[in-house]
Amino acid sequence: DSGVTQTPKHLITATGQRVTLRCSPRSGDLSVYWYQQSLDQGLQFLIQYYNGEERAKGNILERFSAQQFPDLHSELNLSSLELGDSALYFCASSRRTQSSYNEQFFGPGTRLTVL
Amino acid sequence: AQKVTQAQTEISVVEKEDVTLDCVYETRDTTYYLFWYKQPPSGELVFLIRRNSFDEQNEISGRYSWNFQKSTSSFNFTITASQVVDSAVYFCALSISNFGNEKLTFGTGTRLTIIP
Repeated sequence: DSGVTQTPKHLITATGQRVTLRCSPRSGDLSVYWYQQSLDQGLQFLIQYYNGEERAKGNILERFSAQQFPDLHSELNLSSLELGDSALYFCASSRRTQSSYNEQFFGPGTRLTVL
Repeated sequence: AQKVTQAQTEISVVEKEDVTLDCVYETRDTTYYLFWYKQPPSGELVFLIRRNSFDEQNEISGRYSWNFQKSTSSFNFTITASQVVDSAVYFCALSISNFGNEKLTFGTGTRLTIIP
């Protein structure tokens, strides 16, 4: 158990709908990363938040957005869903330390199915 | 930009055989980190190893070993005496240390099937 929790575990919805995926990082971790694993794109980085602020963006669609709240949990919002958005969405967290590298710990993922 | 290539899409071996998973990476940065993750059928990502660009020593952990060669930009993973529980998708990944932003660039994965 990595200490990172994600809810829900599974989500089934229809095209055009909007969903919210939730991630709770490990205690003390300030950074949250979101990744998408799809058949077409493989595993790819979407976005990172650090202590409530957006830190880096990857291949995230404009229909997707994220935020990190004061309690450090994060939500990934997916809107106007398309069939191609069906994927496994991972959240990872890391702790800002004085060392030059901050390990990422992955949650179990949320499997989104768009019908 | 960073890139990770895992040319082997699928590998099948008979139990107890040794198997090597290949990983080739591309980056212009001199400081970087390489990883291997295992994704069993249950779907979670299990961290196996991290290696930084300044440490080319090979590492062994039980039946697992890793061979890092900067000269060929490769970070290969060998499982000796494979077991059925090793069946999974294995991902190689690369990260550039940016003091707070260490997004991972993943390869496409190698699906390993161990035949009993």
